[in-house]
Amino acid sequence: DQQVKQNSPSLSVQEGRISILNCDYTNSMFDYFLWYKKYPAEGPTFLISISSIKDKNEDGRFTVFLNKSAKHLSLHIVPSQPGDSAVYFCAASAKGGSEKLVFGKGTKLTVNP
Amino acid sequence: NAGVTQTPKFRVLKTGQSMTLLCAQDMNHEYMYWYRQDPGMGLRLIHYSVGEGTTAKGEVPDGYNVSRLKKQNFLLGLESAAPSQTSVYFCASSYAPRVGTEAFFGQGTRLTVV
Repeated sequence: DQQVKQNSPSLSVQEGRISILNCDYTNSMFDYFLWYKKYPAEGPTFLISISSIKDKNEDGRFTVFLNKSAKHLSLHIVPSQPGDSAVYFCAASAKGGSEKLVFGKGTKLTVNP
Repeated sequence: NAGVTQTPKFRVLKTGQSMTLLCAQDMNHEYMYWYRQDPGMGLRLIHYSVGEGTTAKGEVPDGYNVSRLKKQNFLLGLESAAPSQTSVYFCASSYAPRVGTEAFFGQGTRLTVV
């Protein structure tokens, strides 16, 4: 069973527009969520995170929204730039439990000039 | 700082051969992880460690063994490689997978089993 789901394998947007990447989770024990960005032939790099005590966290062009009742989070990139083209992974960890990060399958974002 | 270093970066194995992937981190992190990435499957956790001398199974542990004899090193072993283990392997480390502490990843090891 997949605890962290990214249902869109790919997303294409125009430069300057908003990119919205979605992530759903099933484990109600998850209380910390992260987004990672991955370029080809490189390891994933941390982008932004959010604790379950918050519903929004912002860092420059990147904002993550958390809807706990819907078990849903989203990453907004505004404005999108060609350099944002990468695979984005959503990850989560659970309090008081197995102490591990669980990742989704990723969404490939392409930002067209 | 080097961060997380994986050795080797590429390897081709014949079915049945064995090998060890080495992960080294210089950030004094307690937690270390081994993931594999396959097309359409994302990052799947193989094994992880919550401190020196500890190991635990992840989502896809079969066919792999690990050891954490030193805090800075986490070794992933394949005793008898199979074509299904062709993948890109990523090691990661973190102070703790909790609020405010993200995991840092190595650059990956591309393994092909023929």
